[in-house]
Amino acid sequence: EAGVTQFPSHSVIEKGQTVTLRCDPISGHDNLYWYRRVMGKEIKFLLHFVKESKQDESGMPNNRFLAERTGGTYSTLKVQPAELEDSGVYFCASSSPGSQIIFGPGTRLTVT
Amino acid sequence: GEDVEQSLFLSVREGDSSVINCTYTDSSSTYLYWYKQEPGAGLQLLTYIFSNMDMKQDQRLTVLLNKKDKHLSLRIADTQTGDSAIYFCAHDTGRRALTFGSGTRLQVQP
Repeated sequence: EAGVTQFPSHSVIEKGQTVTLRCDPISGHDNLYWYRRVMGKEIKFLLHFVKESKQDESGMPNNRFLAERTGGTYSTLKVQPAELEDSGVYFCASSSPGSQIIFGPGTRLTVT
Repeated sequence: GEDVEQSLFLSVREGDSSVINCTYTDSSSTYLYWYKQEPGAGLQLLTYIFSNMDMKQDQRLTVLLNKKDKHLSLRIADTQTGDSAIYFCAHDTGRRALTFGSGTRLQVQP
C-alpha cells in the first residue's frame, strides 16, 4: 500500500512569490491534515479535511494560506505571497476512522 | 507555556539507555504518541500508548505514562547510532488533530 506522498520534497522561492504544495493521502482515507514545523519549533496543526470539507482550519496562520481538497482526494496548500517566516517543513497526514494518523515525508519550503 | 514540552537535546553513548521525557497540559487525550524524524525523512510513528495504560513495551522501546503528573517518557534500550534522530511527543486533542512538542534531538556517540 502506498503511503502519504507529498510534492515537491523541497521548494526554494523568493519572498512575494507563490508556492503550491500537494499531498496525496492514502487511498480511502477521508481525513487529511496539514501541519508545519517552522524554525525548529514544535510541529503545529494547520487544518483538517474530512473528504472535501474543512472540518477545522483553526491553525491556519493567515489569509495568505489557502488549502483545498477538491473531490476529496488529493489536497493542495497554496501560500501567496510567501514571506520569510513561512520557511519550514510542511507535513501532510491522513487517516480513516479508527486508524492511526499516517504522515508524509514533508515538503521543505525555503523562502529567500 | 506550550501544551507539550520536551527537552531540546540528549546525548548518549552507544549501548547505553536513552530516556526522552515529555510533559503535557491537556488531560483529555485518548492516545499519546512518539514520532521519530531522521535527517531528511518524514515523521515515523514509533509507538503510542492508550491513556488508560501506564506502560507499554515494544522490543527496545518502553513508554511510561504518569497521568497524574501528565508526564510521558520514551526509553530506548541499547541505543544505537541509527537511533540518532529527533523524537517528537504528541497527543490527540479529541478533534482528531495532534499537538506536538518541539522535539528532542538524540545524538548517539559511538
